[in-house]
Amino acid sequence: VQLVESGGGLVQPGGSVRLSCAASGFTFSTYWMTWVRQAPGKGLEWVANIKQDGSEKYYVDSVKGRFTISRDNAGNSLFLQMNNLRLDDTAVYYCAREWAASYFDYWGRGTLVTVSS
Amino acid sequence: SSELTQDPAVSVSLGQTVRITCQGDILRNFYASWFQQKTGQAPLLVIFVKDNRPSGIPGRFSGSNSGDTASLTITGAQAEDEADYYCCSRDSSGNHYVFGSGTKVTVL
Repeated sequence: VQLVESGGGLVQPGGSVRLSCAASGFTFSTYWMTWVRQAPGKGLEWVANIKQDGSEKYYVDSVKGRFTISRDNAGNSLFLQMNNLRLDDTAVYYCAREWAASYFDYWGRGTLVTVSS
Repeated sequence: SSELTQDPAVSVSLGQTVRITCQGDILRNFYASWFQQKTGQAPLLVIFVKDNRPSGIPGRFSGSNSGDTASLTITGAQAEDEADYYCCSRDSSGNHYVFGSGTKVTVL
């Protein structure tokens, strides 16, 4: 199992960025997938998740209406579209595989998003 | 409440036992999982569904549940166990997840 995030970088407040997570080594289309973030020096925060077929999506309140999670099962990829970014969105963003709707068994190494003017 | 409370830091002497706790009402309904995170690394699952270890996690790691509290115990702590540890569970809605605030474990 391998998860590789990309797309992070420096973005201005109010700007947008799209994160990607390339999955390999497992049947991507059969798993819920999740994004978790970690602000510098802070703890882990669950951000969003998506059902196998994309029909259900859930978000932490702080990103609702600004972030959109999506997936491409044919391309084995997970995405996070982040709009109207704020300073407090600065974090390392990890994608993770969910198992049995209970826990995250594999994680990527993360991609850093820095929101700054 | 969907909060999970952890002690900020604990220390343990090399080879001794340390227990890390995670307290929250939601733990009466959902199991906690536990993650180890070393500096600069991604989190690593060490315990899932109360007391199950993924392949490759040493047997010195164990988990337990009682009422509103989940615990992670390291029996015979090693220097390489020095890390931040986070608990995680579903929240009260059942659709979201919540992480504990994390416990920094120092091995003396």
